[in-house]
Amino acid sequence: SQQGEEDPQALSIQEGENATMNCSYKTSINNLQWYRQNSGRGLVHLILIRSNEREKHSGRLRVTLDTSKKSSSLLITASRAADTASYFCATDAVSGNTGKLIFGQGTTLQVKP
Amino acid sequence: DAMVIQNPRYQVTQFGKPVTLSCSQTLNHNVMYWYQQKSSQAPKLLFHYYDKDFNNEADTPDNFQSRRPNTSFCFLDIRSPGLGDAAMYLCATSRDRWQETQYFGPGTRLLVL
Repeated sequence: SQQGEEDPQALSIQEGENATMNCSYKTSINNLQWYRQNSGRGLVHLILIRSNEREKHSGRLRVTLDTSKKSSSLLITASRAADTASYFCATDAVSGNTGKLIFGQGTTLQVKP
Repeated sequence: DAMVIQNPRYQVTQFGKPVTLSCSQTLNHNVMYWYQQKSSQAPKLLFHYYDKDFNNEADTPDNFQSRRPNTSFCFLDIRSPGLGDAAMYLCATSRDRWQETQYFGPGTRLLVL
C-alpha cells in the first residue's frame, strides 16, 4: 500500500510567489525526505527531516513535519522558473522492519516567468 | 565529480527481446537500487543490492533480474520485455541501507515496440 500521498497533484504559480506542497503518510517513520525531479530526469535529493525534528531549512526550502498528524509540508519561497519540476516526498516505513523508501505520487509544480 | 551514471539514456527494444540497462557509481556506496517509474507515477522499487546481498521486492516480476559484479556497477536485465515494461528505469545509490539520502542517476527511458 502507498505510504505517502501528496497534495496538490499539480500547482501553477507566478515567479516570485511561494509554493507549498503537502505530504501525508500512514505509518510511523524514521525520517521523511523530499526529492525533486525535472522532466525526463532522475530524482535529486532536497532535504531530509528526522522524526524527532519539526522544521528544517535549506536555502529557499522550508520543511515541516508533524508526526502526530503524519504529515509534512515543503515550502519553496520566492519561486523561480527553474523550480518547475515534480516534487516527491519519500518515507521509510518502520513497519515490517524493511525501512525502505516509499515515494508519494508527487506534486507537479509549474512556475511561470 | 562523484556521480551515478546510467547507460543508455534511451533504449528501444522489441517485444520479447532481452535488454540490459547499466548503472555505475563513483560514490563507493554500499547500496544500489533499481526503480521503475511510469509516466506521472511514483518511482517503484524493484530490488536493491546491499553490498553483494540481493534483495528482491515481493511484487517484482520474475522477468526482471539484476547483477552486481562489483561495487561500482549494477545491471538490470529484462528477459522478455512486454509493452507494459515501457518506463523510466532509475538507478540510485546510498551509503548504507534505508534511512539515508539516495543519489539517483539520470534514468534510462525504455521503449518496447
